Amino acid sequence: SYDLTQPPSVSVSPGQTASITCSGDKLGEKYASWYQQKPGQSPVLVIYQDSKRPSGIPERFSGSNSGNTATLTISGTQAVDEADYYCQAWDSSTVVFGGGTKLTVL
Amino acid sequence: EVQLLESGGGLVQPGGSLRLSCAASGFTFSSYAMSWVRQAPGKGLEWVSAISGSGSRTYYADSVKGRFTISRDNSKNTLYLQMNNLTAEDTAVYYCRVYDPTGAFDIWGQGTMVTVSS
Repeated sequence: SYDLTQPPSVSVSPGQTASITCSGDKLGEKYASWYQQKPGQSPVLVIYQDSKRPSGIPERFSGSNSGNTATLTISGTQAVDEADYYCQAWDSSTVVFGGGTKLTVL
Repeated sequence: EVQLLESGGGLVQPGGSLRLSCAASGFTFSSYAMSWVRQAPGKGLEWVSAISGSGSRTYYADSVKGRFTISRDNSKNTLYLQMNNLTAEDTAVYYCRVYDPTGAFDIWGQGTMVTVSS
């Protein structure tokens, strides 16, 4: 089965840049998506097709994907960005999620 | 506005069955693939199953294959998940999700809790 690996936690100071990685075999050959989930809420799509932002998602969210690693970058991180973040990729006809990364803004 | 409203969750004994429903509105239901994703308490997201817009193609995670059945009624704009032979490992919030092949359209419901316990 296909696996995606994320760091369990990332910390960032307000206003700084946060980077969350997602690693998988030849992940760069697949499309990666990223989801934000706040406590008690459903996941929300923040990045799709590696680097595209859905309407309504702030410009400070960006993404990239190359080789074996996809990266979600949040520039000028705000307190409201504190949440769990999950990467996702398609493998054959199934979906795989990373284990999730808790972003702490302190 | 796109809305997905799950129902059918609850407490069930090990070995029991449950059927989840997801009522959809705000989009052309039959045009979109749908899926179920679950999240065990305090854990990450786990994809469970998916179904094509017509219902002709279905896909399952290995962890539920042979026990769960996904289906849809396009006349009722409703997605279903029949869950049989449930175990404690199936305890989770189950989310209904609609998406398109581009990935740009990707909406989740609020989830329904399933607890498997004696």
